[in-house]
Amino acid sequence: AQSVTQPDIHITVSEGASLELRCNYSYGATPYLFWYVQSPGQGLQLLLKYFSGDTLVQGIKGFEAEFKRSQSSFNLRKPSVHWSDAAEYFCAVGANTNAGKSTFGDGTTLTVKP
Amino acid sequence: DAGVTQSPTHLIKTRGQQVTLRCSPKSGHDTVSWYQQALGQGPQFIFQYYEEEERQRGNFPDRFSGHQFPNYSSELNVNALLLGDSALYLCASSLRKTGYHNSPLHFGNGTRLTVT
Repeated sequence: AQSVTQPDIHITVSEGASLELRCNYSYGATPYLFWYVQSPGQGLQLLLKYFSGDTLVQGIKGFEAEFKRSQSSFNLRKPSVHWSDAAEYFCAVGANTNAGKSTFGDGTTLTVKP
Repeated sequence: DAGVTQSPTHLIKTRGQQVTLRCSPKSGHDTVSWYQQALGQGPQFIFQYYEEEERQRGNFPDRFSGHQFPNYSSELNVNALLLGDSALYLCASSLRKTGYHNSPLHFGNGTRLTVT
């Protein structure tokens, strides 16, 4: 069975500081990996995705993530955080044969200090 | 280009009642997936509809049922509501034939269901 672990429930960073959100997954085949962001009262917005190829993927809003198969990780990074990045971030794993049936982690809440 | 729309935005029901939630997929999408997001947790997959049939199902009881219409819109029905059914219900659409990598999930803003 596939699973996703986001070890950090809550992270606080200062505006302008760098950010790394951790994600570990368990999946029996080549995973399709995603990061989503959710603002209060909103649905989820896709930040970036990894399917194959270059293990460093670029997304929207200046985010990037690196797939490390040996560590079963897909950590999200941003070099300089903006106050508007405060939100909840979810890592998810899925497979092309199960389009739509993604497994999500429980999320990391990001607080940005001025 | 309209995104995924869900209605209603909020709903309050009493234990034992039944509820119907509605979803219109993003224009051009043909597959609808439903997720339940309890407070403080990530979304959990309920089921997915394509060509008006349930294609995939998560670990949810039969009280949860759905339907997809010829125009690709979908409904989620929950019978005999329990307090534990209180959650944000998210609908996500995609285009099946292009494959997941070309058509990842597009989410609506959800319906907040409160069961008292």
